[in-house]
Amino acid sequence: DADVTQTPRNRITKTGKRIMLECSQTKGHDRMYWYRQDPGLGLRLIYYSFDVKDINKGEISDGYSVSRQAQAKFSLSLESAIPNQTALYFCATSEQTGTGDGYTFGSGTRLTVV
Amino acid sequence: QKEVEQNSGPLSVPEGAIASLNCTYSDRGSQSFFWYRQYSGKSPELIMSIYSNGDKEDGRFTAQLNKASQYVSLLIRDSQPSDSATYLCAVKRGSQGNLIFGKGTKLSVKP
Repeated sequence: DADVTQTPRNRITKTGKRIMLECSQTKGHDRMYWYRQDPGLGLRLIYYSFDVKDINKGEISDGYSVSRQAQAKFSLSLESAIPNQTALYFCATSEQTGTGDGYTFGSGTRLTVV
Repeated sequence: QKEVEQNSGPLSVPEGAIASLNCTYSDRGSQSFFWYRQYSGKSPELIMSIYSNGDKEDGRFTAQLNKASQYVSLLIRDSQPSDSATYLCAVKRGSQGNLIFGKGTKLSVKP
């Protein structure tokens, strides 16, 4: 089983619909992140969480919300999807302190809003 | 100035050649540096990390760090077509900061 699992892998939804992307991890890491990736724009941080009670906005949080249900679960919601939220979404995890080994990424969710 | 800058490429090299990928960063407080490889439509995969000035070698990959000049590079020796991917440079501020990613350099290795 993958260390960081994202569901669904692909999703097509209509404008205005609410959608949730889910992420679970078996790494035992405290920190979890949601990124979106668009061609030419690289990886942009949406939200991150250092533990269950700590949620922080990233550089592009507008239109998104998150929930950290447990150490191992971090969900991203689009309350009312719009076409410019069409992107590849990645969940990632990391250790709490120290230089660590960087992030471990999930396989991604390709979201299309029509 | 963007925090982490990479030439977007594409960088094209022939099979067997050395590919050189460069990255500059703006925050002098950065302490940890990473290179990720990302195949099209796939997730980024960590291939190298470096924390101290100098070179770090792992197989065909060598990461180079120069904190005074604020650049980090990745050399790929004996490049193979399977190395064709986008390479992301990532920089971490201190031990608590988040990773800041560059936009990536697309590498194409021609047989």
